[in-house]
Amino acid sequence: QVTLKESGPVLVKPTETLTLTCTVSGFSLSNARMGVSWIRQPPGKALEWLAHIFSNDEKSYSTSLKSRLTISKDTSKSQVVLTMTNMDPVDTATYYCARIDSSGCHGYWGQGTLVTLSS
Amino acid sequence: QSVLTQPPSVSGAPGQRVTISCTGSSSNIGAGYDVHWYQQLPGTAPKLLIYGNSIRPSGVPDRFSGSKSGTSASLAISGLQTEDEADYYCQSHDSSLSGWVFGGGTKLTVL
Repeated sequence: QVTLKESGPVLVKPTETLTLTCTVSGFSLSNARMGVSWIRQPPGKALEWLAHIFSNDEKSYSTSLKSRLTISKDTSKSQVVLTMTNMDPVDTATYYCARIDSSGCHGYWGQGTLVTLSS
Repeated sequence: QSVLTQPPSVSGAPGQRVTISCTGSSSNIGAGYDVHWYQQLPGTAPKLLIYGNSIRPSGVPDRFSGSKSGTSASLAISGLQTEDEADYYCQSHDSSLSGWVFGGGTKLTVL
């Protein structure tokens, strides 16, 4: 079955760079018209899409965060990596990775990982 | 402020029917992009509820239905059950932002 799992630091200091890894199973990152998105949710707030990468290596970023984000994939390792630079306390959130198809449907989600900013 | 507008909360008694609206604009829903709906139970990750405006994934009860018209979409839940208490989010694509956008979420309370 399809699963996604996020991993990365629980605590990050302001101005540091956050690196999150999404490890997938049950599908290949080379599957046509499929990809992986990163989505975050601050405590008690709404979902916010951050970035996606598709099998053909097409990438897209949230307009408001584009300058701080980089998404990449390693198909052989079944991993998608998101880096976010210059972290700020407002970036405290649960970060999810999810499988996305060409219509934008996020059909499968990871359990999420809570990242807290603390000096 | 979310690009897709949802009511912050809705409520209904067990067995009743409720609807959750998702209002967009000509750059997202009105441009013909699909709308997807997600259910987030307390303390859990979101789960796909409706995709392609009105299609239920396997395993989703037919009490849940979706529709789209013009610049808006709606999620209807009939025969409310206590386990339906959750946050519900709509999602689509926005051509002005060149990315995916979520609604602000709606908290459903089953009285």
